[in-house]
Amino acid sequence: AQSVTQLDSQVPVFEEAPVELRCNYSSSVSVYLFWYVQYPNQGLQLLLKYLSGSTLVKGINGFEAEFNKSQTSFHLRKPSVHISDTAEYFCAVSGIKERLIFGTGTRLQVFP
Amino acid sequence: SAVISQKPSRDICQRGTSLTIQCQVDSQVTMMFWYRQQPGQSLTLIATANQGSEATYESGFVIDKFPISRPNLTFSTLTVSNMSPEDSSIYLCSGDYNEQFFGPGTRLTVL
Repeated sequence: AQSVTQLDSQVPVFEEAPVELRCNYSSSVSVYLFWYVQYPNQGLQLLLKYLSGSTLVKGINGFEAEFNKSQTSFHLRKPSVHISDTAEYFCAVSGIKERLIFGTGTRLQVFP
Repeated sequence: SAVISQKPSRDICQRGTSLTIQCQVDSQVTMMFWYRQQPGQSLTLIATANQGSEATYESGFVIDKFPISRPNLTFSTLTVSNMSPEDSSIYLCSGDYNEQFFGPGTRLTVL
């Protein structure tokens, strides 16, 4: 069975500081990995994805994530955050053309 | 990228009534997925819908409460039956694409 663990429920950070949102997964088969962002009162937006190939994945809004198979991690990073990055971030895993399993989410709060 | 639309985008309903949510995708998919996001929570899969067969429900979800139709490869409906305030959530659908996209969802409030 697959599962996703987001280790931090909340991450407070000051504007222009770097941030890392942690995500670990468990699976006995090949997986696809995703990060989604949800701004207040809005829908779910795909931030980036790992399907295959390069383990460093670049997404929208300056975010990137690295797939680490040995550590079963897919941490999300941004070198310098903005106030507008304040949102809920969800890590998710799926098999090939299967349903998504979501983590519990990490609330990123960026302070001026 | 896939285009997924849902109707209605939001609704406010009375306790005890039912609401049917429609999901339309722009390309054929074998499976469609229905998720629920309760306030302040993550997304949970309700069921998987295949054309021509009954939907497969996840633990904690039953067909009588959440009947699903899948008449063709680009359309599905989810009905939330006999609603209570606990059903207030965002309901989202997706298809079995390699890259999983979501529409804006349906924001349901039950009074």
